[in-house]
Amino acid sequence: AQSVSQHNHHVILSEAASLELGCNYSYGGTVNLFWYVQYPGQHLQLLLKYFSGDPLVKGIKGFEAEFIKSKFSFNLRKPSVQWSDTAEYFCAVNAGTSGTYKYIFGTGTRLKVLA
Amino acid sequence: GAGVSQTPSNKVTEKGKYVELRCDPISGHTALYWYRQSLGQGPEFLIYFQGTGAADDSGLPNDRFFAVRPEGSVSTLKIQRTERGDSAVYLCASSVDRGPGEQFFGPGTRLTVL
Repeated sequence: AQSVSQHNHHVILSEAASLELGCNYSYGGTVNLFWYVQYPGQHLQLLLKYFSGDPLVKGIKGFEAEFIKSKFSFNLRKPSVQWSDTAEYFCAVNAGTSGTYKYIFGTGTRLKVLA
Repeated sequence: GAGVSQTPSNKVTEKGKYVELRCDPISGHTALYWYRQSLGQGPEFLIYFQGTGAADDSGLPNDRFFAVRPEGSVSTLKIQRTERGDSAVYLCASSVDRGPGEQFFGPGTRLTVL
């Protein structure tokens, strides 16, 4: 069965620190990969996605993620975080080319950025 | 434009009662998903509609849960004989059509079963 692991459950950083959130998935076929963010009091919104092509994808607000197929990983990075990045971050996958494309989510990482 | 909306935003009910949760997807989106998010967990898939039909209901936990989308737009998730373990945030998402593209999420309905 498909699964997604996010190893960092809580992360606390100071402003301007660099961020890397881990995401590993378990699935034997082609996958599509996503990072969603949920700011306090708001709904889930897409940060970035990977379907194919360049494994380094750039998203909104300066975030990027790298797909490493051999490691089944899709880690999220940001070189310099801001207080406004305080949120919960979810990694998700769905099957690549067929099926319902339902998301399998990780458990999320709560990021707190100290001003 | 308008995003996905869900009503009510909060629902408190007693054990054993029946509840209905409503989702209004983005206009023109044919694919609609329901997820459930328990405290400290990521959202978990419940059911997927393509148009009016439930194409995948493999995530529904048991037969107390049922969902409909009679006209291919608004969907209602129905829970019979609620249990305390049903307490969670129920999320609805829609996407343009069948495919791997982005799903747009609503704000969710927080269900509390006392």
